[in-house]
Amino acid sequence: KAGVTQTPRYLIKTRGQQVTLSCSPISGHRSVSWYQQTPGQGLQFLFEYFSETQRNKGNFPGRFSGRQFSNSRSEMNVSTLELGDSALYLCASSKGLTNTGELFFGEGSRLTVL
Amino acid sequence: GQSLEQPSEVTAVEGAIVQINCTYQTSGFYGLSWYQQHDGGAPTFLSYNALDGLEETGRFSSFLSRSDSYGYLLLQELQMKDSASYFCAVRRSNDYKLSFGAGTTVTVRA
Repeated sequence: KAGVTQTPRYLIKTRGQQVTLSCSPISGHRSVSWYQQTPGQGLQFLFEYFSETQRNKGNFPGRFSGRQFSNSRSEMNVSTLELGDSALYLCASSKGLTNTGELFFGEGSRLTVL
Repeated sequence: GQSLEQPSEVTAVEGAIVQINCTYQTSGFYGLSWYQQHDGGAPTFLSYNALDGLEETGRFSSFLSRSDSYGYLLLQELQMKDSASYFCAVRRSNDYKLSFGAGTTVTVRA
């Protein structure tokens, strides 16, 4: 079965612009979480959605937002982009809000802010 | 800052054994997970320890000691394809958030 799909894979924006990233989870998975990955910082948790509801949110400014649709697909949006937002944004899915941490990741959307 | 601490880099030769430690300050969590990420690729799930003790999956083993706030991933019979970054992660029980370590880059030399 198809894995987690993220689009676009690469994008370049300039400061002040906004960006929307998309994530299609594995079929049957209802939980989607988002992470920001930068060198040396590991994966920083952004948000987690389950059944269209945000269940959890990381420590990021309000410029970072997200949503989940009825088909479990999710989008995240970053407004008023800053240079420091340049990162790999990873999406992960699971069947439910798993305690096991067994997440299935997409290959990410690499954002460069100039 | 990170509540999970891992060494940043480890280098070893093919066939060797590598242990990646993960120490944490999180007061409560549901279990310790490990993920592998090759350069440019997606992180993939390796193992999960809900209880103290050793879990073995082929060449990889993972260990957890809640009393010592410590866990590790053991990579045995290292192969070149094991060159990757390895992350430990927990789901905290107080806020249910997923927290990852900064990752350990393992380089396997011939």
